Amino acid sequence: AQSVTQPDIHITVSEGASLELRCNYSYGATPYLFWYVQSPGQGLQLLLKYFSGDTLVQGIKGFEAEFKRSQSSFNLRKPSVHWSDAAEYFCARGQGGKLIFGQGTELSVKP
Amino acid sequence: NAGVTQTPKFRVLKTGQSMTLLCAQDMNHEYMYWYRQDPGMGLRLIHYSVGEGTTAKGEVPDGYNVSRLKKQNFLLGLESAAPSQTSVYFCASSYSPLAGGPNEQFFGPGTRLTVL
Repeated sequence: AQSVTQPDIHITVSEGASLELRCNYSYGATPYLFWYVQSPGQGLQLLLKYFSGDTLVQGIKGFEAEFKRSQSSFNLRKPSVHWSDAAEYFCARGQGGKLIFGQGTELSVKP
Repeated sequence: NAGVTQTPKFRVLKTGQSMTLLCAQDMNHEYMYWYRQDPGMGLRLIHYSVGEGTTAKGEVPDGYNVSRLKKQNFLLGLESAAPSQTSVYFCASSYSPLAGGPNEQFFGPGTRLTVL
């Protein structure tokens, strides 16, 4: 079965530092990939998505992600983290109108 | 434009009680979904619907039923609640996939359910 793996359960970074959250997906043709963010007590908000074309995707709130087919990865990056970025981040893969989610990565931001 | 709304926001049930969670969307989306979120497990799909009057099972359907009598509403029912159903429940909606591809899903704020 197709799956999505987020290897890091919890990451802590200092405010102003760069961030990379990892996401790996099981192999499949033309993956459709998403990153969502969930602030405490809130629903999920779409950060960015990849369908095809340019492998570097820009999203909201200064986030970007790069699709690397050779590594089956879709890592999320941000050059300078703000305290308000503390949240849980989910990578997801589209499959037949449904989404398969990774386990999530909780991001903490140190002052 | 409220997007996706869920009712109620919080609920506490006793084992064996029943309840219905309501999801409503005002974006004219064809597809609607119910997920549950548990620590360390991400979101798991319970049931989904590809249109009014249709429903299908997701990854964890046991103990739940759904109905989609109107396009804008998707109801999730628990006939006899169990402690294992303590979770946060999210509803989502989307347009139909384009040419077999995926579709961005829009999420509601969630319902926190505790079963004692």
